Amino acid sequence: EAAVTQSPRSKVAVTGGKVTLSCHQTNNHDYMYWYRQDTGHGLRLIHYSYVADSTEKGDIPDGYKASRPSQENFSLILELASLSQTAVYFCASSDRTGGYEQYFGPGTRLTVL
Amino acid sequence: QQQVRQSPQSLTVWEGETAILNCSYEDSTFNYFPWYQQFPGEGPALLISIRSVSDKKEDGRFTIFFNKREKKLSLHITDSQPGDSATYFCAVLYQGGRALIFGTGTTVSVSP
Repeated sequence: EAAVTQSPRSKVAVTGGKVTLSCHQTNNHDYMYWYRQDTGHGLRLIHYSYVADSTEKGDIPDGYKASRPSQENFSLILELASLSQTAVYFCASSDRTGGYEQYFGPGTRLTVL
Repeated sequence: QQQVRQSPQSLTVWEGETAILNCSYEDSTFNYFPWYQQFPGEGPALLISIRSVSDKKEDGRFTIFFNKREKKLSLHITDSQPGDSATYFCAVLYQGGRALIFGTGTTVSVSP
C-alpha cells in the first residue's frame, strides 16, 4: 500500500522564523505535492514536483519554497513564517499518471504565533 | 476565483438515508472528476472518480451523477452508515493532468 509520511506532525513557530516541513514517500512515485488546508477553503495546491531537482508552482506559492532533492523526499520551506500561514499542510504523491490518484500523508498542523 | 464549488457545506442524515452532495465547476475543458473522502485527523483518500465521457459511475453505495452541459456533478451515498461520516471533496484535474483543484468540501454526519 502507498505510504507517505510527514514530519513533524505538529509544530509551533514564531513569526519571522524559518520552518521546514518534510515529506517522504516509499511508493516510487514520480509526482509529489504540497497542499494547505484551511476551514472554508478546502485543499489548495502550493507547489508540486514531477521529477527530482525540479519544482512547479501551484495556486498559492507566495511565501513558500519547495525542494525535491530525491524522488522520495519533498520539503516545504517557509523562510519567514507569518500568522496567515497557520494551517494544516498535506503532502501527497502519485505515479506518472499525475493527478489521477493522489496518496496523501497524515498532515502537519502548523501554528505560527 | 473558486473554480470548483461544493454544496451544502455540511449535511446531516439518518442512518439508512441517501446523502446527496453537489459540485459545480467553471471550466468546460475539465474532463476528470475524482471525489476524495477525509476522516478527522487523516489525509484525504480517493473514493470514486468519473470521466466526462460518462454520466454515471457507481461503486457500491457511492454513485456519481455527471451533467456535462450544466457543468455539475453530484455524489449520492445510499444507505448511509455512521462510518460514512467524513468530509467529501470534489476535485478536477488540471495543469495538463498533473494536479488537482479541490472544492471546499461537504462534511457529512450520519446519525444512528
